[in-house]
Amino acid sequence: EAGVAQSPRYKIIEKRQSVAFWCNPISGHATLYWYQQILGQGPKLLIQFQNNGVVDDSQLPKDRFSAERLKGVDSTLKIQPAKLEDSAVYLCASTSAVGQETQYFGPGTRLLVL
Amino acid sequence: GDSVTQMEGPVTLSEEAFLTINCTYTATGYPSLFWYVQYPGEGLQLLLKATKADDKGSNKGFEATYRKETTSFHLEKGSVQVSDSAVYFCALSAASGGSYIPTFGRGTSLIVHP
Repeated sequence: EAGVAQSPRYKIIEKRQSVAFWCNPISGHATLYWYQQILGQGPKLLIQFQNNGVVDDSQLPKDRFSAERLKGVDSTLKIQPAKLEDSAVYLCASTSAVGQETQYFGPGTRLLVL
Repeated sequence: GDSVTQMEGPVTLSEEAFLTINCTYTATGYPSLFWYVQYPGEGLQLLLKATKADDKGSNKGFEATYRKETTSFHLEKGSVQVSDSAVYFCALSAASGGSYIPTFGRGTSLIVHP
């Protein structure tokens, strides 16, 4: 089966610009996660969807970050406006069913904010 | 909140040496515990997991035992290979309102020399 797809793989923008990342989970996977991984640190959960509803977004900086999963399949994460400290790898992951815990990760999108 | 603490890296070993990467956690309730591995240029992938106290997860010669009394999940391998060079992440998954919220450690880099 195809893995978790993410695009773009790399993005360079200037501060105060906006950027969007796309994720397509494994077919049929109900739960989708977005993480921010700053260099040298572990993944930090930004938002978790179950189908098209939000389970947890307590660590999402809502003044500048937004995410949606309108049809319960693919998802978009947006940053507007970007700050220098947003430079990181943005990871998307999914699990096969509600209540399943093993996550399948995409390759990530590497963002550099200048 | 929940947290995962891993030993600082990098860990540098010669081929066939014994490996231990320490991981301790803080969580309410009874989380599941995971080790994920990230090979250079790739996304995170599950290495092994344990879902209850005294369970031992194993895969590819790696092992970790869920120790509730010491809140630990140390990763071990008897004889490492150059191909094991990667970043290893300890993680937990805690039940919350019918779903599972993941927390990751900061990762430990392993470098194996021939």
